[in-house]
Parts: sequence; C-alpha cells; structure tokens
Amino acid sequence: EVKVVESGGDLVKPGRSLRLSCRTSGFMFGDFTMIWFRQAPGKGLEWVGFIRSNANGGSVEYAASVEGRFTISREDSKSLAYLQMNNLKIEDTALYYCSASFASILSLWGQGTPVIVSS
Amino acid sequence: DIVMTQSPLSLPVTPGEPASISCTSNQSLLHTNGFNYLDWYLQRPGQSPQLLIYLGSNRASGVPERFSGSGSGTDFTLKISRVEAEDFGVYYCMQPLQTPWTFGQGTKVGLK
Repeated sequence: EVKVVESGGDLVKPGRSLRLSCRTSGFMFGDFTMIWFRQAPGKGLEWVGFIRSNANGGSVEYAASVEGRFTISREDSKSLAYLQMNNLKIEDTALYYCSASFASILSLWGQGTPVIVSS
Repeated sequence: DIVMTQSPLSLPVTPGEPASISCTSNQSLLHTNGFNYLDWYLQRPGQSPQLLIYLGSNRASGVPERFSGSGSGTDFTLKISRVEAEDFGVYYCMQPLQTPWTFGQGTKVGLK
C-alpha cells in the first residue's frame, strides 16, 4: 500500500524552529521528487519547495518566502523526507503537505501536518 | 513568477450537468519538449489535493473519464462531462514548468 505520512507539526513561537518529517512506503522513494506544499487556514495552495531524486541531481529549490529559512532534505535509505524550518514567522502558519512526484505523471500526497506559529 | 488565473472562482452545479473551469497563465506553459506543464487538482472538503490531470490533458491514474483537460500555451480548460456528488470541492490549476511553481486561486464547485 502506498503511504505518505507527514509528522512533526506543532504550535511554536515566532523565531523558533521545527522539523517536519515525511514518511513514505509502497513505492520506489529514491525515484521520486519530494515536494512540500502548504495551505494557510482558509487559503489556497502554496508551493514551498522540493528536492529532486538523486538520479536527477538531488537539487533543491525553494519559494522566495522561505528561502534561507527552510531546508528540504531526504534520506533515501529510510524513504524519508524532511522540512527543517528555522526562524518561523506567523505567516508560516499552515497545514504542510508532503508530496511525492514521479515525472509529472504520479503525485502522491499525505494528509498534512499543522504548523501554528503564535506568540 | 508565472501568474495563474482561474475562472470562475465559484461554480454552482447540478449533478448530471457538465461543468467547465478555465485557467490562464501570463506566460506560456508549453515546453520545448512539446508538453504543456499544467496540472489540475481537486481538493475535496477536509482532504488533501488529488491530481486529476497532468501535462495539460492526461488523466492521472484512477481518475474517471468524465474529467478532461485541454488547452495549450496560456489557456487551459478542465471539463467535467457530468458532475457527480463526489466531484464537489475546490479545483486548482498549477504550473510546474518553472519555479516557483504557482497555483490558481481555486474554483469552488458546489451544489446549485
């Protein structure tokens, strides 16, 4: 069974850090680009960034709003992806989704993990 | 950044009737490889988004045939031939041609 499960969301104060995890199973994780999206309460979808498969160079790209604060990484041996979030801002409050994508054809999403940044 | 614009933003529909959503981009999404980098997603209430259409016109695995995508360049359309109750939710177009990947505002499809 294919699974994508995010975890690590929490209530944190501005300026603090948080690491989200994306645990996957049921597919060849190493072949997939791992993507993070987010959705602020009552708002639309926003792309956060992605990390390509190692076969495609393993490069990462980020949205301007998180560049320099967020870091995406992957651990292929454990079928895990991560989103390290530093210096969190109130506007980072959102439901964070992890998605596994293969050549635009396949897109597997988790159910999301909530991050609330509030003083 | 590529700006994606959807219309309408709200679409009341009657089950069994057709529905259509438009998505335009301010830059061409046609890659030199001949593919249009435009995806359509459906987000049902309380659920995560589900890929419906990829590369402009290709139905994702398990997506019913009543869904179809068309268009090229900057103008795209998602059509539902006969709306069913499970089709209600918010539809988003998204361009993965260049970073930052960007979404349309979303079109809420609900009961008329």
